[in-house]
Amino acid sequence: KQEVTQIPAALSVPEGENLVLNCSFTDSAIYNLQWFRQDPGKGLTSLLLIQSSQREQTSGRLNASLDKSSGRSTLYIAASQPGDSATYLCAVTVAGNMLTFGGGTRLMVKP
Amino acid sequence: GAVVSQHPSWVICKSGTSVKIECRSLDFQATTMFWYRQFPKQSLMLMATSNEGSKATYEQGVEKDKFLINHASLTLSTLTVTSAHPEDSSFYICSAPRGGWNEQFFGPGTRLTVL
Repeated sequence: KQEVTQIPAALSVPEGENLVLNCSFTDSAIYNLQWFRQDPGKGLTSLLLIQSSQREQTSGRLNASLDKSSGRSTLYIAASQPGDSATYLCAVTVAGNMLTFGGGTRLMVKP
Repeated sequence: GAVVSQHPSWVICKSGTSVKIECRSLDFQATTMFWYRQFPKQSLMLMATSNEGSKATYEQGVEKDKFLINHASLTLSTLTVTSAHPEDSSFYICSAPRGGWNEQFFGPGTRLTVL
């Protein structure tokens, strides 16, 4: 059974810092990995999608990497801003388009 | 990006009543949709896979007779919580995959409170 773990569970940093959020998964037989952002009481916003054959994806200040063989992904946030405060979730897609989610990292960026 | 809507965004009901939640893909067709529930400060847990034209597939521990799923068309799936109880209070979110990369797009969620 696929298990996804995110470290740290919570993170509080001052504005301007560069951040790394970690995600690990137990079964490397994935189709893709997605990073999502969730604001309190809201749905999920897709940030980045990395296909299993890819190594990384970039969007603005966000960069996500994937090491499928070791079961790891990282989300790098450059020059963090208070507006980045949210919960970040990683999820892997396995057979049948099913997503398995990690527990999330709650990020607080202080002005 | 693709848009998925949910209705209602929140609902409060009395114990024992049934509540229907709709999930719509607004600008694409989805033969498959997924229903999740999320308790406070926890991650999303997959409840079931909704399949257009056939029965839904439920995850272990999810009662199919309590959480009725109907995928009536290629753009609409409904989740009905029957005989709701306070322990069913949660945040329910749907998603649908789109495109060759099967990127998942999520609805904004429905907050259910059962009194």
